[in-house]
Amino acid sequence: GQQLNQSPQSMFIQEGEDVSMNCTSSSIFNTWLWYKQDPGEGPVLLIALYKAGELTSNGRLTAQFGITRKDSFLNISASIPSDVGIYFCAGQLPNSGGSNYKLTFGKGTLLTVNP
Amino acid sequence: SQTIHQWPATLVQPVGSPLSLECTVEGTSNPNLYWYRQAAGRGLQLLFYSVGIGQISSEVPQNLSASRPQDRQFILSSKKLLLSDSGFYLCAWNPGLGGYTFGSGTRLTVV
Repeated sequence: GQQLNQSPQSMFIQEGEDVSMNCTSSSIFNTWLWYKQDPGEGPVLLIALYKAGELTSNGRLTAQFGITRKDSFLNISASIPSDVGIYFCAGQLPNSGGSNYKLTFGKGTLLTVNP
Repeated sequence: SQTIHQWPATLVQPVGSPLSLECTVEGTSNPNLYWYRQAAGRGLQLLFYSVGIGQISSEVPQNLSASRPQDRQFILSSKKLLLSDSGFYLCAWNPGLGGYTFGSGTRLTVV
């Protein structure tokens, strides 16, 4: 199947630092999404991107849909302890819309924030 | 409002025992429904998805099966659990262009 290459796999940072993670693919995606999963919980949607080049912010989070539609990044500014968790990128391929809607997920970035 | 419920939250089952995990969605009709498994707290593996009652698509061969007996109910089952079935199982539905909404998950430990 189609692959989303997410990096880094894990990050250990100090509270207050900025964080950047990204996803790349050899395939074009219609939509890019970023999720956060707290320990023992289901992933929660953070940001959704629908247009190539789109830059969207949600509080301290900023994400961009790459101009080629093959990549995306997520930045977190001024990290806090509650930012701990696994961050997933996900994309919707052009042939997986409508009633056949399916997302392709990256393998996640595990973020640890030291207070 | 639209909500998704998944239960139980945790389950410890012996090898060879049956399994039934249930997922229900409220506040919508004819949703796409999905079962994912997450091993070792990392990647999400799509197991099954359903676009309607009685319609199940399997993504990977395995020891599990899924059923959709009602529009907003999605069940994950096994006749005989294996140790390798342990993991975190997530149900999700697709409310539109904004991706999936996930349930809170079931932690299954097969002993």
